[in-house]
Amino acid sequence: SYELTQPPSVSVSPGQTASIPCSGDKLGEKYVCWYQQKPGQSPVLVIYQDDKRPSGIPERFSGSNSGNTATLTITGTQAMDEADYYCQAWDITKVFGGGSKLTVL
Amino acid sequence: QVQLVQSGAEVKKPGASVKVSCKASGYRFIKYDINWVRQAAGQGLEWMGWVNPNGGDTGYAQKFQGRVTVTTDTSISTAYMELSSLTSEDTAVYFCARVKYTDNWSPAGFDFWGQGTPVTVSS
Repeated sequence: SYELTQPPSVSVSPGQTASIPCSGDKLGEKYVCWYQQKPGQSPVLVIYQDDKRPSGIPERFSGSNSGNTATLTITGTQAMDEADYYCQAWDITKVFGGGSKLTVL
Repeated sequence: QVQLVQSGAEVKKPGASVKVSCKASGYRFIKYDINWVRQAAGQGLEWMGWVNPNGGDTGYAQKFQGRVTVTTDTSISTAYMELSSLTSEDTAVYFCARVKYTDNWSPAGFDFWGQGTPVTVSS
């Protein structure tokens, strides 16, 4: 079965740029979504089709996908962005990556 | 506004089945696929399967094949997920989620989620 790999944790200083990678075999040939999940809440879609932002998602969130790696980038990271982030490959199956905990310190 | 409201917490014994409901409102139910995702405590998201309310087509993750059934009742805009032969490993929060579509009707992630239904499997 298809697998997506994310680092368990990523740290960033406030105002700096955070990059969260997601790797999978030929991932660039699939669409990738990214979700943000804060403790006790349902996930929120922050990026779809590799690099598109849903309405209401701040411009500081961006995405890219090429080769075997997709990346979520948060520019000018804020304390409110501290959360778990999950990538998802959009295929016949909708597998998720293991998640990355973003710490803003 | 779009809402997905799920049924309440469940406690089940090993070997039993559980059926979770997801009532949709604020949009035309039959036009959007519903997916089911679960999350064990402290763990990541795990995709389980999907259903197309307009016709009833389904698809399941290989891990759950034969043990999960996803259905809909379009008369009350409600989707259901039934999981059988429960073990302690099925203890998790179960979410329903609606598929987002772009202007040209291309699927684009899950844009609305239910609040989650905790399911505990314990003897």
